[in-house]
Amino acid sequence: QVQVVESGGGVVQPGGSLRLSCAASGFTFSGYGMHWVRQAPGKGLEWVTYIHFDGSLIFYADSVKGRFTISRDNSRNTLYLQMNGLRRDDAAVYYCAKDNYYGSGTRGLDSWGQGTLVTVSS
Amino acid sequence: QTVVTQEPSFSVSPGGTVTLTCGLSSDSVSTGHYACWYQQTPGQTPRTLIYSSNTRSSGVPDRFSGSILGNKAALTITGAQAEDESDYYCMLNMGGGVWVFGGGTKLTVL
Repeated sequence: QVQVVESGGGVVQPGGSLRLSCAASGFTFSGYGMHWVRQAPGKGLEWVTYIHFDGSLIFYADSVKGRFTISRDNSRNTLYLQMNGLRRDDAAVYYCAKDNYYGSGTRGLDSWGQGTLVTVSS
Repeated sequence: QTVVTQEPSFSVSPGGTVTLTCGLSSDSVSTGHYACWYQQTPGQTPRTLIYSSNTRSSGVPDRFSGSILGNKAALTITGAQAEDESDYYCMLNMGGGVWVFGGGTKLTVL
């Protein structure tokens, strides 16, 4: 079955960096776009970034543009999120999610991981 | 900046029908926004209910349906059950690969 498993969360100081990973299995990873979504404690969901199935197109929320970088390695079935210049308001559970559209395009989130917690604190 | 709007809270009686909506602060929602709906109970991972406005995700009961009603996307629960008490989030495509969530609706079944 479809599975995505995030890792890499932890505690980081303001201004610091962290790299999240998302290991995918149970589907043809190279055929689907992927997303990162986050949820601050007690708050709603926030879409963060999307990468096309082949990495050719990438989109970011304004709140992370210029600080976060999404990438993927289709040979390893793994998605990444490099987070630089972390701020206290970046603290959240970060979810990796598969898009539900095969090929070129996006139609929203399909399968979600369990999330990985990022804490930004000095 | 475009804001996706949802009712903060709603209540429904067991067995009743409720329609939650998802709008835009400065535009109408259309099928081109590929509206999606997600359900999240406290402490749990979100679950996909609806995508592309009206397509149920695999395994989702048919009491959940999506539509475009007037200038908003809508999620209707027909025959609400106690287990449907959750937070519901809509998400709209704002062009290309940019998506925006609404603030969520807390649904109470009582």
